[in-house]
Amino acid sequence: QVQLVQSGAEVKKPGASVKVSCKASGYTFTSYYMHWVRQAPGQGLEWMGIINLNGGGTTYAQKFQGRVTMTRDTSTSTVYMELSSLRSEDTAVYYCARDKWTFDYWGQGTLVTVSS
Amino acid sequence: QSALTQPASVSGSPGQSITISCTGTSSDVESYNLVSWYQQHPGKAPKLMIYEGSKRPSGVSNRFSGSKSGNTASLTISGLQAEDEADYYCCSYAGSTTWVFGGGTKLTVL
Repeated sequence: QVQLVQSGAEVKKPGASVKVSCKASGYTFTSYYMHWVRQAPGQGLEWMGIINLNGGGTTYAQKFQGRVTMTRDTSTSTVYMELSSLRSEDTAVYYCARDKWTFDYWGQGTLVTVSS
Repeated sequence: QSALTQPASVSGSPGQSITISCTGTSSDVESYNLVSWYQQHPGKAPKLMIYEGSKRPSGVSNRFSGSKSGNTASLTISGLQAEDEADYYCCSYAGSTTWVFGGGTKLTVL
C-alpha cells in the first residue's frame, strides 16, 4: 500500500531554514511527481510546488520562488522540501502529496513553528 | 494565482443533500477537466474524494459526486451523515504545472 511518512515537528527562529522530508513506499517512486502543500493554523490549503521524481525538475508557486527548494533522493525514495528565510507567517503544517494529475495520497503532515 | 472561491460554510440535516460550489476562471477550472475535491477532518490530512471532476477513488462512497459547468465546479453529498461533517477543499490544475486550491468550506451536519 502507498505510504508517505514525513519527518517530525520542527521549531525554528525567524530567518532560519527548515528541511522537511517525505519517505515514500508501496509504489515505484520515480513513476510519479510529488506536491508540497501547506496549511497555516485555522486556514486553508496552499499549493507550494511540485517535483518530478524521475528527472528532478521542479515548479514552484510564484509566492515561494526564491525561498523554496524541492529535491529528491531516489536511492531512499525520499523527497525533501526546504524553506528558507522563515518568518512567523510560515508557521503551518506542511504536507507532501503524490501526484497523479490529482493529490491521491498524502503524508501525515509536519508542523513547522517559527518563533523567536 | 488567486485561490478558487468556495462558500465559507454550508449545512444540512442528516439524510439531506448539499452542494458546495467552487468558482475559478478561464485559466483553471474552465480550461481543464482536472478539478478534485478533498475532505479534511480536524487534525487529519486531506483525503481525496473526487478527481477529474466527477470520478470517485476506490472506497469513496457513491453519496459523493462531482460536476462542472463553465468555470464552476460542484461537489454534491447526498444522504448526509454525521461523519460527513468536515472541511472540504476543491483544487484545479491551472496550467504550466501549477495548481490552485479553494479557500475551503466547512460542512456542518445539523
